[in-house]
Amino acid sequence: GALVYQYPRRTICKSGTSMRMECQAVGFQATSVAWYRQSPQKTFELIALSTVNSAIKYEQNFTQEKFPISHPNLSFSSMTVLNAYLEDRGLYLCGASLGQSNERLFFGHGTKLSVL
Amino acid sequence: GDSVTQTEGLVTLTEGLPVMLNCTYQTIYSNPFLFWYVQHLNESPRLLLKSFTDNKRTEHQGFHATLHKSSSSFHLQKSSAQLSDSALYYCALSGDTNAYKVIFGKGTHLHVLP
Repeated sequence: GALVYQYPRRTICKSGTSMRMECQAVGFQATSVAWYRQSPQKTFELIALSTVNSAIKYEQNFTQEKFPISHPNLSFSSMTVLNAYLEDRGLYLCGASLGQSNERLFFGHGTKLSVL
Repeated sequence: GDSVTQTEGLVTLTEGLPVMLNCTYQTIYSNPFLFWYVQHLNESPRLLLKSFTDNKRTEHQGFHATLHKSSSSFHLQKSSAQLSDSALYYCALSGDTNAYKVIFGKGTHLHVLP
């Protein structure tokens, strides 16, 4: 079946440092990968949408300078949180699509980021 | 822009009683996809239901929902709650021509009591 793995599952970083998280699709081709953040007490905010061989589209309030994303092939994507601060805390989810339609996103377990 | 509004906060009910979680949406697109995702404690969100067709009931694992474009609604229902249904439920919308952009509601925490 289709699975999405994210690592690390949990991480702590010091304020002002950077943290990279990875997303691996297994059993299917992740043509598109959506990165979401679930901040404490909030819903999922879409950070950016990455499609192989296309430009990455960032949502309002999120920038490439802060959240650079790499999507080099159909099974892997990574995102870095640069200069992390308290407001960047939360669960970062990777949702990968089979690439045929938007009918289904497969989510990983997320990377929980804590910032000291 | 697109938005989703759902029953907020905590819904508590006794096992065996019916479940109804409300979801309404706003979108400029005439053919949106609507989804319900369920997230159990310490797990990732999992797709529960999806619909694209107006006035057609969709069912899965005892839950059902019908997309009504006339009222922009996609309420989640179940005839009899089980303890294992306790979880966070998110209604979500995809209305963008970019097929993979999904907008989530704020989530409803369902707590089923014995």
